[in-house]
Amino acid sequence: QKEVEQNSGPLSVPEGAIASLNCTYSDRVSQSFFWYRQYSGKSPELIMSIYSNGDKEDGRFTAQLNKASQYVSLLIRDSQPSDSATYLCAPPRAGGTSYGKLTFGQGTILTVHP
Amino acid sequence: DGGITQSPKYLFRKEGQNVTLSCEQNLNHDAMYWYRQDPGQGLRLIYYSQIVNDFQKGDIAEGYSVSREKKESFPLTVTSAQKNPTAFYLCASTSRGGYTFGSGTRLTVV
Repeated sequence: QKEVEQNSGPLSVPEGAIASLNCTYSDRVSQSFFWYRQYSGKSPELIMSIYSNGDKEDGRFTAQLNKASQYVSLLIRDSQPSDSATYLCAPPRAGGTSYGKLTFGQGTILTVHP
Repeated sequence: DGGITQSPKYLFRKEGQNVTLSCEQNLNHDAMYWYRQDPGQGLRLIYYSQIVNDFQKGDIAEGYSVSREKKESFPLTVTSAQKNPTAFYLCASTSRGGYTFGSGTRLTVV
């Protein structure tokens, strides 16, 4: 079973600040990691994927992966009110066609206030 | 375009009634999942299937049943044994990459 744990929320930041969301996972062989964003009443959408140790940047979003520490994070720079949503750390994947019981993290509710 | 279609978008269930939520994907994904989400909560796994004609219970399978007769389809039945079925239900599929979600079904008991 691949499990993830997210840092406790909810998280509230002022507009323009950096929001930091964290996730730890239990599976040492995982290779692929994903962050999803879910607006209220909507289905989750993929916003970042990361496969190698280090940082991956996409616009205002940066994903950071540390496989030795089994830790993945998401930074949102210049936070906007439109970033207010629940952020989900997805069960990491071990590569190939491995599936199994995939349990999402409990999610972190982010509120960006003007 | 490939994706997952969930229907209906809204569903109302009377006490003691069984209802079935549809999930169809045209992504050729092997694995499919059903999650339940309550207000302000995360996703809880109900059932999952990694291959046709095979499925396993997730963390909250009681009161639910599924079938996987075709690779594209993974319907979820909410039975009368599920005493608190009001929730948002999400179907997802995956292959070698991330997860694709349907748009969800909101089930309400009336």
